[in-house]
Amino acid sequence: AQTVTQSQPEMSVQEAETVTLSCTYDTSESDYYLFWYKQPPSRQMILVIRQEAYKQQNATENRFSVNFQKAAKSFSLKISDSQLGDAAMYFCACGIIFGKGTRLHILP
Amino acid sequence: NAGVMQNPRHLVRRRGQEARLRCSPMKGHSHVYWYRQLPEEGLKFMVYLQKENIIDESGMPKERFSAEFPKEGPSILRIQQVVRGDSAAYFCASSPSSSSGNTIYFGEGSWLTVV
Repeated sequence: AQTVTQSQPEMSVQEAETVTLSCTYDTSESDYYLFWYKQPPSRQMILVIRQEAYKQQNATENRFSVNFQKAAKSFSLKISDSQLGDAAMYFCACGIIFGKGTRLHILP
Repeated sequence: NAGVMQNPRHLVRRRGQEARLRCSPMKGHSHVYWYRQLPEEGLKFMVYLQKENIIDESGMPKERFSAEFPKEGPSILRIQQVVRGDSAAYFCASSPSSSSGNTIYFGEGSWLTVV
């Protein structure tokens, strides 16, 4: 069975600064995918970034990037130049299993 | 190209009634997933279905909950004899094929309130 752990229930960052959200996972699969989703106040689930486990290169999408450490089963999300619109719940997922989320506050 | 459609968006039921939530996957998607999100909590996986088959129901409560995805029509999550603790947002997601590698796309959720 897969498990996903997000150890930071809440985080705050100053606007324009950089923040890193942590995620660790466990899986018995040899080939798997990892995802970060964002859930703004509208509650819509929005895909932020995805990483294929067999690829060593960390995925990047504009201001969002991941630090994927396969041996450590760690998959953190880095948000650069934080913007007010980044305020949301962020969920890490391994396949179809999600963590409990990290609520990110952006301080103006 | 319509996304994942869920209805109703909001549903109010009295304790003991039945709730039926419907989900139409994205066009071309044959895999459906249901999740429950309790207030201020994360997404809890409930069930994964293909057309006419339940692939993984490890997250479904043993009683009162059932799901189907018939050959024709939407997937349905059915909750019988609802209790206050069933009040939550229920999200449906779909993917084109197996879960391991494909991104799953979410609907906007159905909010169930049990009074």
